[in-house]
Amino acid sequence: GAVVSQHPSRVICKSGTSVKIECRSLDFQATTMFWYRQFPKQSLMLMATSNEGSKATYEQGVEKDKFLINHASLTLSTLTVTSAHPEDSSFYICSAIPGGTAIGYTFGSGTRLTVV
Amino acid sequence: GQQLNQSPQSMFIQEGEDVSMNCTSSSIFNTWLWYKQDPGEGPVLLIALYKAGELTSNGRLTAQFGITRKDSFLNISASIPSDVGIYFCAAPEGGSEKLVFGKGTKLTVNP
Repeated sequence: GAVVSQHPSRVICKSGTSVKIECRSLDFQATTMFWYRQFPKQSLMLMATSNEGSKATYEQGVEKDKFLINHASLTLSTLTVTSAHPEDSSFYICSAIPGGTAIGYTFGSGTRLTVV
Repeated sequence: GQQLNQSPQSMFIQEGEDVSMNCTSSSIFNTWLWYKQDPGEGPVLLIALYKAGELTSNGRLTAQFGITRKDSFLNISASIPSDVGIYFCAAPEGGSEKLVFGKGTKLTVNP
């Protein structure tokens, strides 16, 4: 089945540093990937749509300069949280659509970011 | 934007009981998806529905796509402890690949 691999699963970083999260489609190509943020006991909030070979599309209220997205190949999208602050601590999840909607959106296992 | 109203917010049941949860919207959707999320993990797709009126099963899980295309329900029969988790309904926004999510139903199963 379609698998989306996300790495790292958890990361702790100091305030002011940058953190990169990787999202890979392992057995399919994904021209589009999605990045979500999830606060405790809440639903998933779409941050941006990552498009292979072009700029990401950010949702309203999401700072594009803070959350840098790069989708350089058909199997890899990265989210970089720049100059991280404690309020950026959250659970970040990526997803992709393998082979159209017939299979449904597949999610990565998430990254727990803690900024200290 | 489009919203999905999911209920109940939480459920506490005994092992062996059946469970039902649903999602409604004022908007029409062409696809309904049901996911389960375990703590510290990403959501896992349980059932996908593509046609109004469609009734689909996956083991002890059954989901239906409402005939009006504005609602869907998920039933779990004979619950077991590993059914514990948060269940989300989701649907692609009209004319877009972006998913709209319900707020989730947290299920607790007492052995």
